[in-house]
Amino acid sequence: GNSVTQMEGPVTLSEEAFLTINCTYTATGYPSLFWYVQYPGEGLQLLLKATKADDKGSNKGFEATYRKETTSFHLEKGSVQVSDSAVYFCALSDPIETGANNLFFGTGTRLTVIP
Amino acid sequence: DTEVTQTPKHLVMGMTNKKSLKCEQHMGHRAMYWYKQKAKKPPELMFVYSYEKLSINESVPSRFSPECPNSSLLNLHLHALQPEDSALYLCASSQVHLVTGGNSPLHFGNGTRLTVT
Repeated sequence: GNSVTQMEGPVTLSEEAFLTINCTYTATGYPSLFWYVQYPGEGLQLLLKATKADDKGSNKGFEATYRKETTSFHLEKGSVQVSDSAVYFCALSDPIETGANNLFFGTGTRLTVIP
Repeated sequence: DTEVTQTPKHLVMGMTNKKSLKCEQHMGHRAMYWYKQKAKKPPELMFVYSYEKLSINESVPSRFSPECPNSSLLNLHLHALQPEDSALYLCASSQVHLVTGGNSPLHFGNGTRLTVT
């Protein structure tokens, strides 16, 4: 079956530090992979995605590479800012036969960046 | 700004009340979703509509009743809820592709924070 294992948090970093949040997955077939971010009191926002092996998704300085050989999709950012403080969710797709898309989410990693 | 609008933002209801959550999107998406999120947990799928037809019901209790009146609107009718139903209810939408549907990201609203007393 499908599952996502995400690095446990919380993670606390100083501003301008390097960020890595680990995500590994188990899936049948070839899912698409996503990172979503949830700021306090808000819904989930798509951060980046990758649809096939070796794809690199990137947005706002964040990057993640779809690694089929290690079944991983780790999120990285070279220099975090206080405004990056949020909860980050790794997710994989589980297409529905009607053409819609279900997402399996990891448990989420809370990031706090201190000045 | 989110392109999926949910109302109300907050709702407090008693166990005997009937209320509705509303969701609207104007991105032309033909799939719409309800998720439930408890504190410090990931969202859990409740319902999926494709082309205004219910395609997935994740064994949700009948006190939750979804409705999709048209391609832009999604409602969740609530009746006789329990305190453990208190959570953030998230609506989402996505494109529909029979072949590449799994590539379509979901676009989420900011949610309705529901408290059942």
